[in-house]
Amino acid sequence: RKEVEQDPGPFNVPEGATVAFNCTYSNSASQSFFWYRQDCRKEPKLLMSVYSSGNEDGRFTAQLNRASQYISLLIRDSKLSDSATYLCVVNTPGTASKLTFGTGTRLQVTL
Amino acid sequence: EAGVVQSPRYKIIEKKQPVAFWCNPISGHNTLYWYRQNLGQGPELLIRYENEEAVDDSQLPKDRFSAERLKGVDSTLKIQPAELGDSAVYLCASSQWGVGNEQFFGPGTRLTVL
Repeated sequence: RKEVEQDPGPFNVPEGATVAFNCTYSNSASQSFFWYRQDCRKEPKLLMSVYSSGNEDGRFTAQLNRASQYISLLIRDSKLSDSATYLCVVNTPGTASKLTFGTGTRLQVTL
Repeated sequence: EAGVVQSPRYKIIEKKQPVAFWCNPISGHNTLYWYRQNLGQGPELLIRYENEEAVDDSQLPKDRFSAERLKGVDSTLKIQPAELGDSAVYLCASSQWGVGNEQFFGPGTRLTVL
């Protein structure tokens, strides 16, 4: 089983739609979780951290379910500019603490 | 404030040739990372430095890859000799102390091995 698994998509949605991405992680000791956004042929950039209580930033909502080892990202009122790949990222603690990236979920928002 | 700088942006070489990538992190960032990203995949960590110390190089193919960060600032990643399967984007990132902080990525070096 991969450390971080995401549905690769692509998700094709019309402008204004609500879309949700899911991510599962295998290490129950993981402590920090993030969503990064990567535009085509660009570098990844932090979209938002994911907190235990869930958190919202404008149209974006992130949720964490530790019991199910599951993270989600909800985008409301999709814009054309939201078209990108969304990477689920998990911090695995330990002596060699590291971030593990999922393969990403590609979103295409259309008119 | 300047972001993470990488050079070159693109590199095309023939297999068995050496290649080197350079990275200058954001000023004040102690932690530096090298990642490799294949098409359709997420970045995979190659090596992580805390200042000049390589604290995680478990994913670095040491038979052909080497890296250094001599003065704890900029860093070089080298491949010698390159193989066809090394074609990928090599990303450098930096953060303040520790893995849990936001990582800022450079634009990457797109390597093509022919």
